[in-house]
Amino acid sequence: ETGVTQTPRHLVMGMTNKKSLKCEQHLGHNAMYWYKQSAKKPLELMFVYNFKEQTENNSVPSRFSPECPNSSHLFLHLHTLQPEDSALYLCASSQDDSPYGYTFGSGTRLTVV
Amino acid sequence: AQKITQTQPGMFVQEKEAVTLDCTYDTSDQSYGLFWYKQPSSGEMIFLIYQGSYDEQNATEGRYSLNFQKARKSANLVISASQLGDSAMYFCAMREYTSGTYKYIFGTGTRLKVLA
Repeated sequence: ETGVTQTPRHLVMGMTNKKSLKCEQHLGHNAMYWYKQSAKKPLELMFVYNFKEQTENNSVPSRFSPECPNSSHLFLHLHTLQPEDSALYLCASSQDDSPYGYTFGSGTRLTVV
Repeated sequence: AQKITQTQPGMFVQEKEAVTLDCTYDTSDQSYGLFWYKQPSSGEMIFLIYQGSYDEQNATEGRYSLNFQKARKSANLVISASQLGDSAMYFCAMREYTSGTYKYIFGTGTRLKVLA
């Protein structure tokens, strides 16, 4: 049990589908993040929320739409994705300058067909 | 410019031996944090060790130690007495503070294989 829960663990979707990824943390952390991890590439920061306010959008295509209704929940809404969007999507949370850094979820393995 | 560089895509080590995973970083900040994470094949990222830029002593956590050389901007991870369960991807990361938020920049990772 990591403290950050991501659902679903695996997702296969067609290019015309709409789906959502969910992330939940009850660690009292103030910041939540979405990262994309593709093979042989560094983790790419997508979105940052600090106290449920979006503080960063790293030039992410509009087919990815984040939502943070409160500081414990984070969603990533997906629509009209492309095959190159297939990747592991990791959610993380952190508390400012904690020496423990991020707490990551187990990730959602997304395959776009 | 790449801020975190891990030059070893893959490494092999014999069980019970020590191994060093390299990491160099680039920043003009005086205050920053350096982290190592382990990612097994299951996908979750596991925090291993942290070094603050003002810490004078190298961080240690059990079999993990961080060889911090500030002038060279390197933060190598040393794993002593390797175990088969240490086989995984290892990521070096730097925390920086920009736009009112802490963000973490990751390297491309090193895949470690421990041989029996």
